[in-house]
Amino acid sequence: DAMVIQNPRYQVTQFGKPVTLSCSQTLNHNVMYWYQQKSSQAPKLLFHYYDKDFNNEADTPDNFQSRRPNTSFCFLDIRSPGLGDAAMYLCATSEERLAGTDTQYFGPGTRLTVL
Amino acid sequence: AQSVTQLDSQVPVFEEAPVELRCNYSSSVSVYLFWYVQYPNQGLQLLLKYLSGSTLVKGINGFEAEFNKSQTSFHLRKPSVHISDTAEYFCAVTEVVGADGLTFGKGTHLIIQP
Repeated sequence: DAMVIQNPRYQVTQFGKPVTLSCSQTLNHNVMYWYQQKSSQAPKLLFHYYDKDFNNEADTPDNFQSRRPNTSFCFLDIRSPGLGDAAMYLCATSEERLAGTDTQYFGPGTRLTVL
Repeated sequence: AQSVTQLDSQVPVFEEAPVELRCNYSSSVSVYLFWYVQYPNQGLQLLLKYLSGSTLVKGINGFEAEFNKSQTSFHLRKPSVHISDTAEYFCAVTEVVGADGLTFGKGTHLIIQP
């Protein structure tokens, strides 16, 4: 029944070592989002894909990239993780672009630790 | 740009007591409003949303929220809480036109005491 799946649930990486987080969905939704949630803070939108159209938030660091090879999968690449990138990373999907009228479905998140 | 303020980081409540979780927002344009719940080790789940119409919105698990435009608030309420309601609750907004993602508050941890 899992609809938005994130792997792994826990990821440990070293300072400066590239890391990739994975998200997949069984809902066939057009839109996929990545949020960063630091400890005791609000989830913050990093970027989203509408189909193959990539949309970056203005304040998302260049260190963060994303790929969406097909409808079902979306990846978050952190090229050179710093200690400040330790956070929970949440993937979400919605059927269409207008978040107001479409529900966003969230995965369980991947907790990233940077040593 | 919009912002969301959840004034209480933690709210302890006895089981079967009523609860209100406060949310205020700021925006220069019209917004849609949401409440999400996050149970331990799980993703965010939509509780309810306000798009238009009646200002009192009913959601899942017995929760409801009231939109107050003059006070720019969207407080969440439940008349009688259960142990299973222990979770993190997030208020969020998005612009009616042009926005794609959600802007979240910092969350309120609801702690139900037996």
